[in-house]
Amino acid sequence: AQSVTQLGSHVSVSEGALVLLRCNYSSSVPPYLFWYVQYPNQGLQLLLKYTSAATLVKGINGFEAEFKKSETSFHLTKPSAHMSDAAEYFCAVRPYSAGGTSYGKLTFGQGTILTVHP
Amino acid sequence: GAGVSQSPRYKVAKRGQDVALRCDPISGHVSLFWYQQALGQGPEFLTYFQNEAQLDKSGLPSDRFFAERPEGSVSTLKIQRTQQEDSAVYLCASSNTGGNEQFFGPGTRLTVL
Repeated sequence: AQSVTQLGSHVSVSEGALVLLRCNYSSSVPPYLFWYVQYPNQGLQLLLKYTSAATLVKGINGFEAEFKKSETSFHLTKPSAHMSDAAEYFCAVRPYSAGGTSYGKLTFGQGTILTVHP
Repeated sequence: GAGVSQSPRYKVAKRGQDVALRCDPISGHVSLFWYQQALGQGPEFLTYFQNEAQLDKSGLPSDRFFAERPEGSVSTLKIQRTQQEDSAVYLCASSNTGGNEQFFGPGTRLTVL
């Protein structure tokens, strides 16, 4: 069984400040981990993904996340927030599939709404 | 098309009506997923297709929900006798064989009155 917990349903930062969105996972097998962003009335867009290669993953728009197995965490960070980063962010997990099958049911966290103040 | 498309974008139904939601995946994508996103929540898995085969329907909340993908491309999610608790955004996603990334459509917002 898998689950994802996002700590903090709302995070507010000033423009230019560090962004830190927290995600902890629970998985009985090595997981793949993802961060998605959702703008109002739009679908989910992939920011970055961890697939058992490098533990520090760089994504689009200056975001990055670090996989820490000992802490079962995959927190999302960005050094300097921009107004355009205001959106809802979702952490998601799926089990690692050594067989290379395409089946990849995602389990999502509850989401974190990021607000950026000028 | 360039991405996953869904129609209609918005649907209002009276309780008890049947609705059909359409998903056009990215051309050539083998895998297709449906998720339900209630207000203020993360998406929750409903069902999965590999080509025309429905391999997992464990997330469908009741037998009022039915999904199909008869030719392995376009998929339809049908909800019979809609209830107020069915109000949500229904998201469709597709991915290629072995791909880790699912590409999401904009969703259909269903409101049941």
